[in-house]
Amino acid sequence: NAGVTQTPKFRILKIGQSMTLQCTQDMNHNYMYWYRQDPGMGLKLIYYSVGAGITDKGEVPNGYNVSRSTTEDFPLRLELAAPSQTSVYFCASSPDPFGNTGELFFGEGSRLTVL
Amino acid sequence: AQRVTQPEKLLSVFKGAPVELKCNYSYSGSPELFWYVQYSRQRLQLLLRHISRESIKGFTADLNKGETSFHLKKPFAQEEDSAMYYCALSQDNLFFGTGTRLTVIP
Repeated sequence: NAGVTQTPKFRILKIGQSMTLQCTQDMNHNYMYWYRQDPGMGLKLIYYSVGAGITDKGEVPNGYNVSRSTTEDFPLRLELAAPSQTSVYFCASSPDPFGNTGELFFGEGSRLTVL
Repeated sequence: AQRVTQPEKLLSVFKGAPVELKCNYSYSGSPELFWYVQYSRQRLQLLLRHISRESIKGFTADLNKGETSFHLKKPFAQEEDSAMYYCALSQDNLFFGTGTRLTVIP
């Protein structure tokens, strides 16, 4: 199993550009998440999904959109990129909500720089 | 509100010395707490959860409700323990601390 796969690993964007971070998992997990990690800070939840067709906002959703058309895929879209979105983005999945076992399976991260 | 605090960004210890990574939380109910670890060039992964009362790779963590702490301890540090450690609190969401980078000096 590949687990959680994120692409791209690195990307540089200009202010105002848009892009999509891809995330796919092959563990048949219902729950998927997108976190961002700014330098010196903890991970903050952007969006999450409890199953195909269902998404919800996390702590820091502004400037982002998500969709969940299949169990496997959970892309994160940045519209009109801003320097404040420079961060490392992590996708994760779990078989149950974080309140249960607490175990999330993470991707390798995507480092995004907005100039 | 900061739910999880890890006061040390960096911690260095010598091989064989005891190590303690501090974590304090703010939550009025019964907390679900976890430690995650990220080794160099590897993914963030769960190390242990308080409810399991387990020892993983020689690490233990005790929940102290009076002090609202969940410190991670190991009696004899090994070089392979060098990594980034994150404390996390589950409260409808999983809230992460800012992390502590542990370096074990040979």
